[in-house]
Amino acid sequence: GAGVSQSPSNKVTEKGKDVELRCDPISGHTALYWYRQSLGQGLEFLIYFQGNSAPDKSGLPSDRFSAERTGGSVSTLTIQRTQQEDSAVYLCASSRIAGVGTGELFFGEGSRLTVL
Amino acid sequence: GESVGLHLPTLSVQEGDNSIINCAYSNSASDYFIWYKQESGKGPQFIIDIRSNMDKRQGQRVTVLLNKTVKHLSLQIAATQPGDSAVYFCAERGTGSARQLTFGSGTQLTVLP
Repeated sequence: GAGVSQSPSNKVTEKGKDVELRCDPISGHTALYWYRQSLGQGLEFLIYFQGNSAPDKSGLPSDRFSAERTGGSVSTLTIQRTQQEDSAVYLCASSRIAGVGTGELFFGEGSRLTVL
Repeated sequence: GESVGLHLPTLSVQEGDNSIINCAYSNSASDYFIWYKQESGKGPQFIIDIRSNMDKRQGQRVTVLLNKTVKHLSLQIAATQPGDSAVYFCAERGTGSARQLTFGSGTQLTVLP
């Protein structure tokens, strides 16, 4: 597609439920990132995928969070047993390659998660 | 705490004036910096970037200045327009394996008519 596509755009769930958030990166982009943005805050790094390399999961806040990327394209972020503090906008970004001077990330519009 | 921070959380300027948004970073090993603009309800949008071997870079109506001595980054917007109203984030990229960007908390720029 023309840009990074995320779904759903809005998700309201009950505490304790599992949620899945989907990201379709720009075609041909090998690097994919997930960030979390709480209200009025900056972006918090969660996880990074680059090609076929093992993902960098260093930003995941707990073992309730996981992500996968199938076929080097679509990625799914899964949050198990959601808590109210998980409420945030989850942003996905992709870039052509990851390297010096090529750090421009193209962001999707995010998935707004509200945990009641 | 944040490794990248902003001096002012909000900034209001008159339409047509120049805007300066400041950012302090803490990782002296960061080699690449980016400014992003985020409008309400949208994802961040790339504005301009600069490598650590440069101290100034200009784009269309925007200039980024990098002072590595004091670890300070600024974004200058010339002739600010209403469409410039948004939250502006600076981000730094470290030298770790993931080379992910670390973002500051943002500055809300409001352009007054």
